[in-house]
Amino acid sequence: GENVEQHPSTLSVQEGDSAVIKCTYSDSASNYFPWYKQELGKGPQLIIDIRSNVGEKKDQRIAVTLNKTAKHFSLHITETQPEDSAVYFCAASVSGGGADGLTFGKGTHLIIQP
Amino acid sequence: DAGVTQSPTHLIKTRGQQVTLRCSPISGHKSVSWYQQVLGQGPQFIFQYYEKEERGRGNFPDRFSARQFPNYSSELNVNALLLGDSALYLCASSFGFGNAYEQYFGPGTRLTVT
Repeated sequence: GENVEQHPSTLSVQEGDSAVIKCTYSDSASNYFPWYKQELGKGPQLIIDIRSNVGEKKDQRIAVTLNKTAKHFSLHITETQPEDSAVYFCAASVSGGGADGLTFGKGTHLIIQP
Repeated sequence: DAGVTQSPTHLIKTRGQQVTLRCSPISGHKSVSWYQQVLGQGPQFIFQYYEKEERGRGNFPDRFSARQFPNYSSELNVNALLLGDSALYLCASSFGFGNAYEQYFGPGTRLTVT
């Protein structure tokens, strides 16, 4: 089955700087890559996703890039703010998010230093 | 608009007991997925249901079962609880089946097995 590796496990950045989280996946059939933000005591919140027919997607301060050849995708957060502090998860879906569900990475704890 | 709701919020059970967790999807969504999130890890896929039929199953023992009702709500049942079943159980809903549809998570049910 699919395997998703996520790095780093912890990332500390100064407020206003950029943060980058990287993920690799194993199954070349994966074609959907969402990113979730999880705050303490809450469920994961979908923040952005990308499909295999595009290489980059942006939404205000958040962007995701996908390299299908290398089988890796990344989350970029610019102009970080205190409210960006949370655990971020990448995920990959093989067949359609259904039969196999989403396969998640182990998460990155993002800490924004004031 | 109401998001995904789950009940109960917290639950404490004894090893060997049985537990039922409940989920109501976003209005209009017809698919529900269940995930288990162990502390410090990403969510792991258990089941997906669409139009009351099981469409996907993760690598979990037969002690885990689920069903979806005509109103698209769902229940997850776990029999013969083990200490290792202690986790946050997340429900996610989507409009349809397949990764053309984003999955939105509820706040989860925290299960503690003693």
